[in-house]
Amino acid sequence: AQKITQTQPGMFVQEKEAVTLDCTYDTSDPSYGLFWYKQPSSGEMIFLIYQGSYDQQNATEGRYSLNFQKARKSANLVISASQLGDSAMYFCAMRDQYGNKLVFGAGTILRVKS
Amino acid sequence: ETGVTQTPRHLVMGMTNKKSLKCEQHLGHNAMYWYKQSAKKPLELMFVYNFKEQTENNSVPSRFSPECPNSSHLFLHLHTLQPEDSALYLCASSQVAGGNTDTQYFGPGTRLTVL
Repeated sequence: AQKITQTQPGMFVQEKEAVTLDCTYDTSDPSYGLFWYKQPSSGEMIFLIYQGSYDQQNATEGRYSLNFQKARKSANLVISASQLGDSAMYFCAMRDQYGNKLVFGAGTILRVKS
Repeated sequence: ETGVTQTPRHLVMGMTNKKSLKCEQHLGHNAMYWYKQSAKKPLELMFVYNFKEQTENNSVPSRFSPECPNSSHLFLHLHTLQPEDSALYLCASSQVAGGNTDTQYFGPGTRLTVL
């Protein structure tokens, strides 16, 4: 069974600085996908970035990048140049190669300070 | 992303009421999902529909009844709910269910309170 662990319940970052949100995963499948979602207080889950297990390079999307370390089974999200609007809950999720389930971690609350 | 809409956004109901949640996606996707997000618990998958066929029921109590009349619409019919069913109910859609590259896009959710 797949499992996602996010060990940071909450994080603070100063505006314009970079922040790393941790995510480790556990799976026995050789092929899998890793996702990060952002959930503002409004409730909507916003897709941020995707990393495939066979991708050679770390995924990047604008200010978001995924630090993928396959041997360590970690998929940390890096947000560069933090903005006040980045304050939200962030979820790491994984899907295996056969199922249609996304397994989510418990989430990390990020607060950006001005 | 406004491709997935949900109504109502907020719902308060008594335990004897019958209500329905509606989800509509405008992304041309073929798979739709219901998730439950309770306080202090990870997001839980409830149901999956792929090309209008239910492919996953994650041991959800029968007081929750999904309906998928076409690939663009998904309903969750609620009856005789319990207070512990109070949660944020999120709908999502994706191109096709299955495969690890398939990305799910979520709606804004319906915040349900059962009195």
